[in-house]
Amino acid sequence: DTGVSQNPRHKITKRGQNVTFRCDPISEHNRLYWYRQTLGQGPEFLTYFQNEAQLEKSRLLSDRFSAERPKGSFSTLEIQRTEQGDSAMYLCASSKTTATNEKLFFGSGTQLSVL
Amino acid sequence: GDSVTQMEGPVTLSEEAFLTINCTYTATGYPSLFWYVQYPGEGLQLLLKATKADDKGSNKGFEATYRKETTSFHLEKGSVQVSDSAVYFCALIGGGGSYIPTFGRGTSLIVHP
Repeated sequence: DTGVSQNPRHKITKRGQNVTFRCDPISEHNRLYWYRQTLGQGPEFLTYFQNEAQLEKSRLLSDRFSAERPKGSFSTLEIQRTEQGDSAMYLCASSKTTATNEKLFFGSGTQLSVL
Repeated sequence: GDSVTQMEGPVTLSEEAFLTINCTYTATGYPSLFWYVQYPGEGLQLLLKATKADDKGSNKGFEATYRKETTSFHLEKGSVQVSDSAVYFCALIGGGGSYIPTFGRGTSLIVHP
């Protein structure tokens, strides 16, 4: 169990640029979640995958955001034409099963700063 | 939709003091309830959980009881240590059939020697 890995840890970009983040979940974990966290707030749901299928996206998620999980392993989150309001910590979490009492394993996050 | 409300922080205590962090929730059905902790520079990690009414979750001296009648899951510890300084998040899963974990805003705990 090597934990959930997220890369990069920090990303600084200029407004209008595209950015991509990567998440490597714990091996054999079926579910993978993306959350966004801003200072003083809790994690806000963005989207989640069951294996390679993207099952749900937040209604708050702009069309500029897209996520993939090819082959049900690692996942990428891309933000196109970044805006200053996109500055946040982006968290990835995985869980082994679909049970509602299953705990999530979180990565350390990718801190995005849009200048 | 489901929601979680936590008391605002920071909560500042002296070492060995008693801790309570309040958490109430709104959900249809019977969710599972969780407390996660985030230490500085680290990812969130599960502290404890409870899956049905009157269950008590416990870990590392922390406890929380699932109270369906008051829709609450307050976190308590009898004697805090400096090493408990962190941000604590209350969360739920499974209310109304949703599999999306919903988190509160977090409560920062600062423990002074």
